[in-house]
Amino acid sequence: QKEVEQNSGPLSVPEGAIASLNCTYSDRGSQSFFWYRQYSGKSPELIMFIYSNGDKEDGRFTAQLNKASQYVSLLIRDSQPSDSATYLCAVKEYGNKLVFGAGTILRVKS
Amino acid sequence: ETGVTQSPTHLIKTRGQQVTLRCSSQSGHNTVSWYQQALGQGPQFIFQYYREEENGRGNFPPRFSGLQFPNYSSELNVNALELDDSALYLCASSLEFTSGTGETQYFGPGTRLLVL
Repeated sequence: QKEVEQNSGPLSVPEGAIASLNCTYSDRGSQSFFWYRQYSGKSPELIMFIYSNGDKEDGRFTAQLNKASQYVSLLIRDSQPSDSATYLCAVKEYGNKLVFGAGTILRVKS
Repeated sequence: ETGVTQSPTHLIKTRGQQVTLRCSSQSGHNTVSWYQQALGQGPQFIFQYYREEENGRGNFPPRFSGLQFPNYSSELNVNALELDDSALYLCASSLEFTSGTGETQYFGPGTRLLVL
C-alpha cells in the first residue's frame, strides 16, 4: 500500500522562527506533491505544490523536494500565531487521486 | 470565480439510514473528487468523477456511490450508514487531463456527518 508519512507533532516554535515540516512517501513513481493547511474544524486549503527536485518559494513558504530520498518538506519563515494549524502533505498517484499523510500539528507561540 | 461549495454543512443520521451529500465544483473545473476525513486523520480518497463517469475509486465499499452531472456538480450517496461513517466529507474540484499544472485539487468547506 502506497503511504505518506508525517510526524504528527505537535511541533512548537516561537513566533518569528522557522518551522520545518517533513513528509516521506513510498511510491517512487509519484510526480506531484502538495502541501495543504487545515485549521481546526475547517477544510484543507492549498499552500503550494511542487513537481521538480529542489526548492520552490512562495512568500514565507518554501517547499523542498528530493525524489531520490522520497522526501518533501515545507519551511515556514517568520512563523506567526496564525500559522498554527495542521499541515497535510499529499502525493498525487496515478489516476489523479491524492494520498494524504495524517498531518503535522504546528503551534506557533507568541 | 466561484469556489467549491458543499451542502449541507452538518448532518445527523441514525445507523442504517441513507444520506446524499452535494458538491458544486469551482467554475471551469471538470473533475470532482470525494474524500472522507475521520478525526485526527488525513483525508482518504473515496472516488473521482470526470465527464460524468467514475474515474478511480479508493478502498470504500459499494454502499458509497456517486454521480456527476453535466454541469460538473456531484453527489455522494452513502447507504446503510454505520457509526464509523461519522466523518468530515470533503469534495475537491480540479481541471484534470489538461497540460500544465491544472491538476491541483481545491477543497470545499466539507459536510460533517454524525451517525448515531
